Amino acid sequence: ETGVTQTPRHLVMGMTNKKSLKCEQHLGHNAMYWYKQSAKKPLELMFVYNFKEQTENNSVPSRFSPECPNSSHLFLHLHTLQPEDSALYLCASSQDFFRDRGNQPQHFGDGTRLSIL
Amino acid sequence: DAKTTQPPSMDCAEGRAANLPCNHSTISGNEYVYWYRQIHSQGPQYIIHGLKNNETNEMASLIITEDRKSSTLILPHATLRDTAVYYCIVRVPPGNQFYFGTGTSLTVIP
Repeated sequence: ETGVTQTPRHLVMGMTNKKSLKCEQHLGHNAMYWYKQSAKKPLELMFVYNFKEQTENNSVPSRFSPECPNSSHLFLHLHTLQPEDSALYLCASSQDFFRDRGNQPQHFGDGTRLSIL
Repeated sequence: DAKTTQPPSMDCAEGRAANLPCNHSTISGNEYVYWYRQIHSQGPQYIIHGLKNNETNEMASLIITEDRKSSTLILPHATLRDTAVYYCIVRVPPGNQFYFGTGTSLTVIP
């Protein structure tokens, strides 16, 4: 139990569907992250939120839309995805993005395995 | 920018110590070394991190050489549940970028 919970664990959707991924952390952290892990590729950072404000968007296509209503919850809204978007989507949290001096681990959820038909 | 080099795979007998090496010859003075592992179908699990000194926690020990150009993660008594991909990561503050690379696939053999 890492303190970061992601739902659903598995999701199959068509290219025209709209769905959302949810992440919740119980660690009292203020920074939350979305990563994408494709087969045989390193993790790719997608978005960073610190105290509910988006601080990083690593050139992610607009069909991925993040939302952070509070420091404990993070969503990733999906719309009109492509087959190459099939991957494991991981959420992580850490104490504070801007106060980090390299000494803060990130704690990850178990991810949502997304398959686009 | 990976900044670390790890062997692609290793085997370890159950009950023995697993020693996983990592080279980070270009590391700078303020960069931390982190270790994570990922068991199939799960998210990466934080294990340990350090800057200069050796570190130990309930999961593992981290030995960093004096010149900081390499480190070793030690699992003192490997179990079958330790079979996973282990990632050695060098982080550059500020910010929270973790580059996981391809890691070492450790197989613990009964």
